[in-house]
Amino acid sequence: DSGVTQTPKHLITATGQRVTLRCSPRSGDLSVYWYQQSLDQGLQFLIHYYNGEERAKGNILERFSAQQFPDLHSELNLSSLELGDSALYFCASSPPSGDTDTQYFGPGTRLTVL
Amino acid sequence: GNSVTQMEGPVTLSEEAFLTINCTYTATGYPSLFWYVQYPGEGLQLLLKATKADDKGSNKGFEATYRKETTSFHLEKGSVQVSDSAVYFCALSAIYFGNEKLTFGTGTRLTIIP
Repeated sequence: DSGVTQTPKHLITATGQRVTLRCSPRSGDLSVYWYQQSLDQGLQFLIHYYNGEERAKGNILERFSAQQFPDLHSELNLSSLELGDSALYFCASSPPSGDTDTQYFGPGTRLTVL
Repeated sequence: GNSVTQMEGPVTLSEEAFLTINCTYTATGYPSLFWYVQYPGEGLQLLLKATKADDKGSNKGFEATYRKETTSFHLEKGSVQVSDSAVYFCALSAIYFGNEKLTFGTGTRLTIIP
């Protein structure tokens, strides 16, 4: 158990809908990262937040957005869903000092768009 | 930019065989190197890491040595078990516009048969 929690574990929805994925980082970690894992694209970095502020963006679509709240949990919002958005979505957190280069991953949310 | 190239899978071995999964990288500067493992239905777990040249990371019988001269970080285990069946990801972490960024390889699926 990495200490990173994600909800829900599974999500099934229809095209055109909007969903919200939630992540709580390990206690004491200020950074949250979001990744998408699909069969054809592998593991893709989406976005990084540090202590409530966006720090870096990766291959994140404009239909997707994220935020990190004062209690440090983060939400990834996916809208106007398409079949191709079906994937595993992981969040990870890292400590603010010491091993800042090490990311600890949550169990993931499996999104199925029908 | 930074990149990680992993040995193509899938790899199938018999129990107690010797394992090598090759990983090479391209990066500017001095990245940290990681191996993550993903067991079926789970998130990524940190297996081992090395932060500078000639460092050896080790965990659960797995080892990898940071070789700057060959830009490699090959994963090895002397005697694999059925429970080692998983997908293994090589990754590097480097500072990217002031932020730590993990770049992953495509993953290598390992199956151990009794």
